[in-house]
Amino acid sequence: DAGVIQSPRHEVTEMGQEVTLRCKPISGHNSLFWYRQTMMRGLELLIYFNNNVPIDDSGMPEDRFSAKMPNASFSTLKIQPSEPRDSAVYFCASSSGLAGAETQYFGPGTRLLVL
Amino acid sequence: GQNIDQPTEMTATEGAIVQINCTYQTSGFNGLFWYQQHAGEAPTFLSYNVLDGLEEKGRFSSFLSRSKGYSYLLLKELQMKDSASYLCAVRDPYNQGGKLIFGQGTELSVKP
Repeated sequence: DAGVIQSPRHEVTEMGQEVTLRCKPISGHNSLFWYRQTMMRGLELLIYFNNNVPIDDSGMPEDRFSAKMPNASFSTLKIQPSEPRDSAVYFCASSSGLAGAETQYFGPGTRLLVL
Repeated sequence: GQNIDQPTEMTATEGAIVQINCTYQTSGFNGLFWYQQHAGEAPTFLSYNVLDGLEEKGRFSSFLSRSKGYSYLLLKELQMKDSASYLCAVRDPYNQGGKLIFGQGTELSVKP
């Protein structure tokens, strides 16, 4: 069974460019999470969806960041315009439900470098 | 506020036992997770505690005391491949879908 799939795995772009990160959660999972990881700040939750609806976007840094989940099998995280401080590893994770011990399963991450 | 504390780094010897501590102060609690993250890879699930006590899973065990806001991860018979970052995370009960708040992680180095 395929795990969480993310693309691209690596992205190098120049400041001011638009960046779109993509995620396909594990089939049947109804919660999806976007995280950012840096050495300085560790692993931070940016936004998460439940049944395709954004539940908590309090971690989204600013208006340059936006996320969508048009259906149960696809989500995007967009940065426009990108800045060097956005350089980080972006992880997508999914889990199976609301209550109980549902584990979050992480994708391999997208390593973003903004020059 | 939400605060999760772990030691930044630890070193141990192959074959030994190591205990990684985690303390938390959060506005709510609905379970504590431990994840392992090797350099350049994604975090992978190790254990989950929601009730007080010890959960054992092979060489790894995790303990929770809710009254003390304290957990530890115990790794026995250390192997070189256990060198990784270990992340403690608390589940926020006030958000549907299981929002996790992560600590900064403990970088464990296993020496021969």
